[in-house]
Amino acid sequence: GAGVSQSPSNKVTEKGKDVELRCDPISGHTALYWYRQSLGQGLEFLIYFQGNSAPDKSGLPSDRFSAERTGGSVSTLTIQRTQQEDSAVYLCASSSELAGRETQYFGPGTRLLVL
Amino acid sequence: DQQVKQNSPSLSVQEGRISILNCDYTNSMFDYFLWYKKYPAEGPTFLISISSIKDKNEDGRFTVFLNKSAKHLSLHIVPSQPGDSAVYFCAASGTGNQFYFGTGTSLTVIP
Repeated sequence: GAGVSQSPSNKVTEKGKDVELRCDPISGHTALYWYRQSLGQGLEFLIYFQGNSAPDKSGLPSDRFSAERTGGSVSTLTIQRTQQEDSAVYLCASSSELAGRETQYFGPGTRLLVL
Repeated sequence: DQQVKQNSPSLSVQEGRISILNCDYTNSMFDYFLWYKKYPAEGPTFLISISSIKDKNEDGRFTVFLNKSAKHLSLHIVPSQPGDSAVYFCAASGTGNQFYFGTGTSLTVIP
C-alpha cells in the first residue's frame, strides 16, 4: 500500500487479556517505530527497529509489552495481561531519510480500550 | 520528564491571519526538529522539518523558525485556512533513535 497501515483500528478488551497490534510499514522503509498516546499526552516512544539490528526497547513501559518485526517488514506489538492504564492510541511509524535525516510516516493508529 | 513542551494546548485564529505555534525543548543535544499535523482518527502527518544548522525553513504557507539559544522553535502558518484546523505536534531528535514529541496544540481556524 501507499502508506503505513495498522490493524485493528479499534480494540476493546477485558483487563488481564492479551492483545496483539499489527503494523505494515511503507515498502522499503527499514526503520519502524511504535508509540503510544494516552489521553492528553504526547507521543510516548516504545520501541524502534532498524533493519536487522537489535531493536531499541528502551521505551517499553513494562515486561508485559513486547514487539517483533518479521522479515524486516510487518511488526506486531503484544501487550500481555492488559491493564486499564494501557488504554491509549498505539501508533506505528516507518521512516526514510529526508535530507540526510529520518522522517517518520505514521499509520492511523490502533485505539485500545481496556475495560 | 517532558523534553519537548508545547505549552499552549489550543489556539484559535481567524481565517487569513497568521497562526503561530510554539515549542520549547530542554535537551541541547537535539539537532533535528519536525512538525506534524494530526486530524482526528488519523495518524500524524509530517509537515516540515529543520536542522540545527539552520534557523529558518520555509515550505509554502508553512515556516519553521529555530532559536537554538532559547531552545525554542515555532511554526508559522500564513495565511491560515480552515483546513489547517488540526492538532500540531513538534518533535525533536538527537544522535539516538528516539524522537521526542510534545503534547500537541489544537489549532482552530475560524472562517
